[in-house]
Amino acid sequence: AQTVTQSQPEMSVQEAETVTLSCTYDTSESDYYLFWYKQPPSRQMILVIRQEAYKQQNATENRFSVNFQKAAKSFSLKISDSQLGDAAMYFCAYHGEGGATNKLIFGTGTLLAVQP
Amino acid sequence: NAGVTQTPKFQVLKTGQSMTLQCAQDMNHNSMYWYRQDPGMGLRLIYYSASEGTTDKGEVPNGYNVSRLNKREFSLRLESAAPSQTSVYFCASSFISFGTSGSKETQYFGPGTRLLVL
Repeated sequence: AQTVTQSQPEMSVQEAETVTLSCTYDTSESDYYLFWYKQPPSRQMILVIRQEAYKQQNATENRFSVNFQKAAKSFSLKISDSQLGDAAMYFCAYHGEGGATNKLIFGTGTLLAVQP
Repeated sequence: NAGVTQTPKFQVLKTGQSMTLQCAQDMNHNSMYWYRQDPGMGLRLIYYSASEGTTDKGEVPNGYNVSRLNKREFSLRLESAAPSQTSVYFCASSFISFGTSGSKETQYFGPGTRLLVL
């Protein structure tokens, strides 16, 4: 069975600085997708970024980028120029190839605080 | 385009009461999901529906039933609520797109329903 591990329950960063959130996963599949979701205090789950395992190039969305190391099964999220609005719980998630019959598997989350 | 909507936003129940959580999406997605989120844990899948007319159990289905009423709506029912079902419930929907590089699927979440069972 696939598992997702986020070893940092809480992180803190100064406004305008850069922070990296860690995520590791375990799977025997070769094709899969990885996601980072943001959950602000409103509790809405917001997709931040996604990565297809078959792509070697790391995904980037504005200030958010990932470091995807397939061999090491590592998928970290880098937030550049941190803003107060980035404060939230961040969840790493895994989705196997095969469509809707494969559920999203979530890590336990990392709570990010942004200090002014 | 409201995306995924859920009602109610907050509910308090007494042990043994029943209720239905409603979810609707206007993105014409085939697949819909119900998750629960508990402190210190990620979201866990309760039930999902790959398409209209089909439902399947997820990781934690006990104590719940679902109905995929039509393509837009996917409801979650608690027949006899228990304190262990106190949680935040999220509905999500997704579609699969196929391209030359393979298939893509992304789930979009509703705002959540906070349920307290006394």
